[in-house]
Amino acid sequence: DTQLTQSPSSLSASVGDRVTITCRASQTISNFLNWYQQTPGKAPRLLIYAASNLQGGVSSRFSGSGSGTNFTLTISSLEPEDFATYYCQQTFSNVWTFGQGTKVDIK
Amino acid sequence: QVQLVESGGGVVQPGKSLRLSCGVSGFTFSTHGMHWVRQAPGKGLEWVAGLGYDGTNQKYADSVKGRFTISRDNSKNTLSLEMNSLRVDDTAVYYCAKEDIWWVLASQYYYMDAWGNGTTVIVSS
Repeated sequence: DTQLTQSPSSLSASVGDRVTITCRASQTISNFLNWYQQTPGKAPRLLIYAASNLQGGVSSRFSGSGSGTNFTLTISSLEPEDFATYYCQQTFSNVWTFGQGTKVDIK
Repeated sequence: QVQLVESGGGVVQPGKSLRLSCGVSGFTFSTHGMHWVRQAPGKGLEWVAGLGYDGTNQKYADSVKGRFTISRDNSKNTLSLEMNSLRVDDTAVYYCAKEDIWWVLASQYYYMDAWGNGTTVIVSS
């Protein structure tokens, strides 16, 4: 199975900060990589699909990039509602997998 | 609007069985693949199982293969997960999720664009 490793596992940031989360795949997955946001007690929400495509209704302060084994999710300017846990997910292999998550909390 | 509602969770002893259901509305169920994703208490997301729009191409995480069965009834707009030989480490919130596909030339990019609120399964003696 393809393993996804996110870094950092957690970070503290302030409103207005630029935040970057990375996701590294154990093998090349082209751009079959999605990003989700989850707030406590809520279901996940799709942010980015196919590595760099913004899901409809998602703020343009979110962006994704990467291909092969290295991917990034960037939040250009943190808003209060962005404090959450973020997960990458691959759909390259038949068995889908998620990264372990990156928790973004308030500094 | 799109709605997915899971049901069937509860407390069950190790080794027993449980069947989860997911009722959907707001989209054409029979044209979308569907998935189950779980989240153990305080842990991250784990993809569990998925199947195609017509019930074929079932696939499973290694942790549940041979114990769980995913199925669907397109006439009733319902997705199911039959869970057998349950273990303590199957304890989690189980989410159903709608699949969508972005087609680019010969490539199909899959993602889960709508989720239910989850149903809780606790496996404990």
